[in-house]
Amino acid sequence: EAAVTQSPRNKVTVTGGNVTLSCRQTNSHNYMYWYRQDTGHGLRLIHYSYGAGNLQIGDVPDGYKATRTTQEDFFLLLELASPSQTSLYFCASKDRDNQAPLFGEGTRLSVL
Amino acid sequence: QQKVQQSPESLIVPEGAMTSLNCTFSDSASQYFAWYRQHSGKAPKALMSIFSNGEKEEGRFTIHLNKASLHFSLHIRDSQPSDSALYLCAVSMDSGTYQRFGTGTKLQVVP
Repeated sequence: EAAVTQSPRNKVTVTGGNVTLSCRQTNSHNYMYWYRQDTGHGLRLIHYSYGAGNLQIGDVPDGYKATRTTQEDFFLLLELASPSQTSLYFCASKDRDNQAPLFGEGTRLSVL
Repeated sequence: QQKVQQSPESLIVPEGAMTSLNCTFSDSASQYFAWYRQHSGKAPKALMSIFSNGEKEEGRFTIHLNKASLHFSLHIRDSQPSDSALYLCAVSMDSGTYQRFGTGTKLQVVP
C-alpha cells in the first residue's frame, strides 16, 4: 500500500537550534514536497523535488534547506530555527503532473 | 503569483443538508482543480479533482468548475457528521507540477 512516512512526529527545539525533518516514500514516486500548515494560511509549499539530487524552491523557502538524497528520501533542514517556524509540516509525494499527492501524517514542530 | 481563496471560513450544517463550498483562483492558465478533506490531527486526503469545465459526481460529492469565472465548488449531498473536517481546495499551475492550496473551510455537520 502506498505510504509516506514522516519522522519525528513531534519535535521541540529552542531558538537557534538545528532541526532535520525526514520523509520517506516507497511508492517509486518522482515528486516529493514539503508543506507547512498554519491556521489562516492553509498549506504553503516550502520546497519540492523532481528526483534524487533535484531541488526546487517553493513559495515560502526562507529559513529552510532541503535535500533529496535518494528517490525515497527527502529531508527538510532548519539550521537556525526561529519561533516563526513553529508549525505543522507535511511531506507529500506523487508520480506525475496533475495528480493529487499522497500526504504523510505530519510533523508538529515547536520552536521555543 | 496564483492566489487561491476559499469561502466561507467555517460552516455549520444539520445532518442531511446540502453543503456547498467555494474556491476562487487568479490564474486563468490553471489546469487541475482538486478538493481535499482533512480530519482533525490527520493528513489531507484527496477527495476528487477535475480538469475541464463542467461537473463531476462521485457518490454524495459533486465538483463544479467554471474557468471563465475563476471559480470551482464542492457540493456534499446528505451531509453526515463524519463529513465534519477541514476542506481544502487546490489549483495546479499550468505545468501541473505542484498545487497551491486555499486556506480551508471548516465544516461541522451536527446531528
